[in-house]
Amino acid sequence: DTGVSQDPRHKITKRGQNVTFRCDPISEHNRLYWYRQTLGQGPEFLTYFQNEAQLEKSRLLSDRFSAERPKGSFSTLEIQRTEQGDSAMYLCASSLGLTGQFFGPGTRLTVL
Amino acid sequence: EDQVTQSPEALRLQEGESSSLNCSYTVSGLRGLFWYRQDPGKGPEFLFTLYSAGEEKEKERLKATLTKKESFLHITAPKPEDSATYLCAVHGSVYNTNAGKSTFGDGTTLTVKP
Repeated sequence: DTGVSQDPRHKITKRGQNVTFRCDPISEHNRLYWYRQTLGQGPEFLTYFQNEAQLEKSRLLSDRFSAERPKGSFSTLEIQRTEQGDSAMYLCASSLGLTGQFFGPGTRLTVL
Repeated sequence: EDQVTQSPEALRLQEGESSSLNCSYTVSGLRGLFWYRQDPGKGPEFLFTLYSAGEEKEKERLKATLTKKESFLHITAPKPEDSATYLCAVHGSVYNTNAGKSTFGDGTTLTVKP
């Protein structure tokens, strides 16, 4: 068990560009979550998968955000036409059922 | 809409000075309340899950308790290495609109001085 990994750890992009982040969960975990966190705030839920099915997506999320989890393994989060307000730490977590979530180290996005 | 409020926002303690952190919540059908520790620049680290009122969990100097409206994280004789932000989260029932998500509070930042 190597824990949850995320790639890249840091991403700097220009406004209007598309970015994609990857998350590799703990192998036996069936649930995978994406969160966004800004300084001084708690993680904000973005979306959630159970196996390969995306079961819920935050109503706060615009259509510029999309996530996939092919074959119920790793997941990707894509942000299209990035805006400065998208600058944040993007966190991935996994769990086995309704138990505590294990978080990755996060991807820090800076939009210039 | 599920809501979680943590207090205080920041807490400064001397080493060995015990205290408690509060997490007040509003949720339709609590399926679990979770405590996490987060160090600067890192992802949260899972500490405890509490499922029903009256339940308690302990780990080293930390003890988490749960009532129907709030949870407390008691820290006994803290050490400087306990300094971190402590986050509380709730997971609601599958019968409410928040099913499937955890709602986090904004955390309490604890600083323990030697």
